[in-house]
Amino acid sequence: QVQLVESGGGLVKPGGSLRLSCAASGFTFSDYYMSWIRQAPGKGLEWVSYISSSGSTIYYADSVKGRFTISRDNAKNSLYLQMNSLRAEDTAVYYCARDGQSGWYQDYWGQGTLVTVSS
Amino acid sequence: EIVLTQSPGTLSLSPGERATLSCRASQSVSSSYLAWYQQKPGQAPRLLIYGASSRATGIPDRFSGSGSGTDFTLTISRLEPEDFAVYYCQQYGSSPRATFGQGTRLEIK
Repeated sequence: QVQLVESGGGLVKPGGSLRLSCAASGFTFSDYYMSWIRQAPGKGLEWVSYISSSGSTIYYADSVKGRFTISRDNAKNSLYLQMNSLRAEDTAVYYCARDGQSGWYQDYWGQGTLVTVSS
Repeated sequence: EIVLTQSPGTLSLSPGERATLSCRASQSVSSSYLAWYQQKPGQAPRLLIYGASSRATGIPDRFSGSGSGTDFTLTISRLEPEDFAVYYCQQYGSSPRATFGQGTRLEIK
C-alpha cells in the first residue's frame, strides 16, 4: 500500500534552516509528481511546492519562493524540502503528498511533520 | 490566482441527513480541475473527489461531486457518524498554483 512518511520537523529560530524528508513506498516513486502542502495551526491548507517525476519541473508558492527548495532522489524513493530564512509564518504541519495521475490533485498524503519557527 | 470560497462555514446536521457543500471560484476552473478532501482532527486530508465528479479509490458512493465553471458542489447523500469532519475544495487547473478553499466544518447537530 502507498506510504509516505515525513521527518525532519522541529523547533527552529527565525532566520534558521530545516530540511524535511519524505520516504515513499508502495508505488513506483519515479512515475509520480510530488507536492509539499502545509497547514498552519488551526488554519486551512496551503500548497507549497511541487516537482515533476524526473525533477525537471518545479514550482513554488509565492510565499516561499527564493527561500525553499524542493528536490527528490528517485533512487532512494525520497522527497525533500530545504527551508531557509524561516519566518514565524512558516510555522505549520508540512505534508508530503503524491500527485494524481490525471491532474495536480493529491491522492495520497503523509501524516505530516510539524515545523515551529519561534525564538 | 483563483480564489475559492466555500459555504457554509459550518454545517450542522444529523446522521442520516443529506449534506450539500458549496465551492465557488473567482474565475472559471479549467477542465473541471476541482477536487474535494476530507480532514478529521489530527489526521492528514483524504482525497474524496477529483475532476469535479470522479470518486477516488475506496470512497463510498454516498459522496458525489458536481459542477463546472465557477460553481461546484459536494453532496453526501446520507450522513454516517464518521463523515463529520472538515471538507476542503481545491482547484488544480490554474498552473502553477493549486489553491484551496477555506473549508467547511460539518458538525453533528
